[in-house]
Amino acid sequence: DVKVTQSSRYLVKRTGEKVFLECVQDMDHENMFWYRQDPGLGLRLIYFSYDVKMKEKGDIPEGYSVSREKKERFSLILESASTNQTSMYLCASSLLQRGAFFGQGTRLTVV
Amino acid sequence: AQSVAQPEDQVNVAEGNPLTVKCTYSVSGNPYLFWYVQYPNRGLQFLLKYITGDNLVKGSYGFEAEFNKSQTSFHLKKPSALVSDSALYFCAVTVKAAGNKLTFGGGTRVLVKP
Repeated sequence: DVKVTQSSRYLVKRTGEKVFLECVQDMDHENMFWYRQDPGLGLRLIYFSYDVKMKEKGDIPEGYSVSREKKERFSLILESASTNQTSMYLCASSLLQRGAFFGQGTRLTVV
Repeated sequence: AQSVAQPEDQVNVAEGNPLTVKCTYSVSGNPYLFWYVQYPNRGLQFLLKYITGDNLVKGSYGFEAEFNKSQTSFHLKKPSALVSDSALYFCAVTVKAAGNKLTFGGGTRVLVKP
């Protein structure tokens, strides 16, 4: 089975801090994604990557950046955390016809 | 642009009764459709998918879904619900041209009462 691992389950950060969320997948998938999940809003795509060093903005990229230096690792960066970025963050990797495989999520609280 | 609608925020059903969670979609081209389930404080788990072929697809835990192209729907069903089916359910869609980018609905919370 595909395994997608997010480095932290829970994080508490202060406003203005630079925050790194790490995600690693073990199935050699080319495509990786970062979503945020908020009640009533479902999952919204922040960024996705279809190859090493390749990235595209999703629907809500403002305030975020990403890094993909190796195929198995996709990092989400909050350059200067703000309270409105308090959310559940979900990483996924995928093959088109198999859908997406998700990590367990990181619940980030910005205080 | 592709989009997914799940018209019900919550569905309540008694244990043993049929369960239906509704999903409609909008895409340009042939859709690839998915259902995921999320239990509390967990990531999303894959339930089933429609890529091509038979309109009725069967998935994990006794769930099935029917693809209806004319109604652009992909409703999730289970003939007899269990209390353990209580969770948050998400429908998602993509097309080949979108490069695997999945668009999700807002989610439907299912509550199965004993």
